[in-house]
Amino acid sequence: QKEVEQNSGPLSVPEGAIASLNCTYSDRGSQSFFWYRQYSGKSPELIMSIYSNGDKEDGRFTAQLNKASQYVSLLIRDSQPSDSATYLCAVNILTGGGNKLTFGTGTQLKVEL
Amino acid sequence: DAGVTQSPTHLIKTRGQQVTLRCSPKSGHDTVSWYQQALGQGPQFIFQYYEEEERQRGNFPDRFSGHQFPNYSSELNVNALLLGDSALYLCASSRGGLAGVTDTQYFGPGTRLTVL
Repeated sequence: QKEVEQNSGPLSVPEGAIASLNCTYSDRGSQSFFWYRQYSGKSPELIMSIYSNGDKEDGRFTAQLNKASQYVSLLIRDSQPSDSATYLCAVNILTGGGNKLTFGTGTQLKVEL
Repeated sequence: DAGVTQSPTHLIKTRGQQVTLRCSPKSGHDTVSWYQQALGQGPQFIFQYYEEEERQRGNFPDRFSGHQFPNYSSELNVNALLLGDSALYLCASSRGGLAGVTDTQYFGPGTRLTVL
């Protein structure tokens, strides 16, 4: 079982719709969770961070965390063509005095006109 | 406020050669992490530096080594390059603080390494 799993997609949604991206993780010791957006050929850009169970909203983005189900999701409302990118789910595990991010393989999102 | 910077942007090497990549963290950050991202994959953790010491290491061979300087900048060195080392190398900076404190990692633009 992979440590962080995402559906690779592509996930296609029409402009203005809600895009729902999902992620599961295996380590129950995971303490913080991040969503990064990565355009083709570019580096990951932080979209959202979430640490506690429940929802966290920032503009058009909402992150949802359920530690009991080991599940993190990202909702993008009013999707725009500029949202077309790969979305990486990352989990932060504190071990040995350090903290590393473990990433999923990413979900490709395509927002169609 | 300067973000994370990396150099060079692109690099082409041949098998067996050695390469050094450089990273300057975001202002106010003291921790640098390095990641390797192969095409179509998520970034893979190589190691993390804090207070000029390697604090944590991922599953990478000893050919991958690093260093952190007193000004918090960092280098990643890869010896005896293999074709499989071709990837985007990402540096991320954060505020390390006390062991166990977590903070958000911000990525630099990356260095694209091609090994021929």
